[in-house]
Amino acid sequence: SQQGEEDPQALSIQEGENATMNCSYKTSINNLQWYRQNSGRGLVHLILIRSNEREKHSGRLRVTLDTSKKSSSLLITASRAADTASYFCATAPNSGYSTLTFGKGTMLLVSP
Amino acid sequence: EAGVAQSPRYKIIEKRQSVAFWCNPISGHATLYWYQQILGQGPKLLIQFQNNGVVDDSQLPKDRFSAERLKGVDSTLKIQPAKLEDSAVYLCASSQATGLDNSPLHFGNGTRLTVT
Repeated sequence: SQQGEEDPQALSIQEGENATMNCSYKTSINNLQWYRQNSGRGLVHLILIRSNEREKHSGRLRVTLDTSKKSSSLLITASRAADTASYFCATAPNSGYSTLTFGKGTMLLVSP
Repeated sequence: EAGVAQSPRYKIIEKRQSVAFWCNPISGHATLYWYQQILGQGPKLLIQFQNNGVVDDSQLPKDRFSAERLKGVDSTLKIQPAKLEDSAVYLCASSQATGLDNSPLHFGNGTRLTVT
C-alpha cells in the first residue's frame, strides 16, 4: 500500500521560478525522505528529515515536516531545466525495520 | 563508490514465460530491496532482505514471484509464470540500514519488463 500522497500530480514552471510539492501521509513515522527520478532511471535520494525535525535545507532544496498535520513539503528554489523529473516522498514507519513506503510522485517540468 | 548494478536493462517476454532479474548492491550494504514500479506510480516494495534473511515480503505475490540473496550479497528476483500485469520496472536498492536505522536507499537503474 502507498502511504504518502504527493500533490500536485504534475507541475509545470519556468526556469528561475520556485517549485513546491506537498506530501501527506497517514500513520506515524520515524522519518520522511524525498527522492528524485529522471526518466528511465532509478531514484536518487535528496534529503531525509526525522520526525523530531521541522525544517531541513540542502542547497536549493528546503523540506519542512509537520507531524501534527502528517504532511511535508519540498521547495526547490530558482529551478533549472535539469530539475525536470518526478519527485517522490517516502515514509519510514515508527516501529519495525526501516521499510520505506513511496507515494505516487509529482512530475515536475521546468521549461527554459 | 560503484552504484547498484542491475541486469538486464530491458526484457520482453510472453505471458506464462519465466524471467529473472539480477542485482548487485553497493559493497557493504546490509539491506537490499526489490521494488516494482508500474508506469505513472511510485515504487512498491516487493521484498526486503537484511544480509541474507527476509525482513519483509508481505507484498510479494508468492505464487509467482520468488527472490533470494545468496551469501548476503547479490540477489535475484524471478517471475514464473509472468502475467500481463507484471509489466513494470523492477528496481533494486540497497542501504546501510540495519533495524531502525534511517539510511537512505541507493537505487539501480532498474529492469523494464514488458509482458506481451
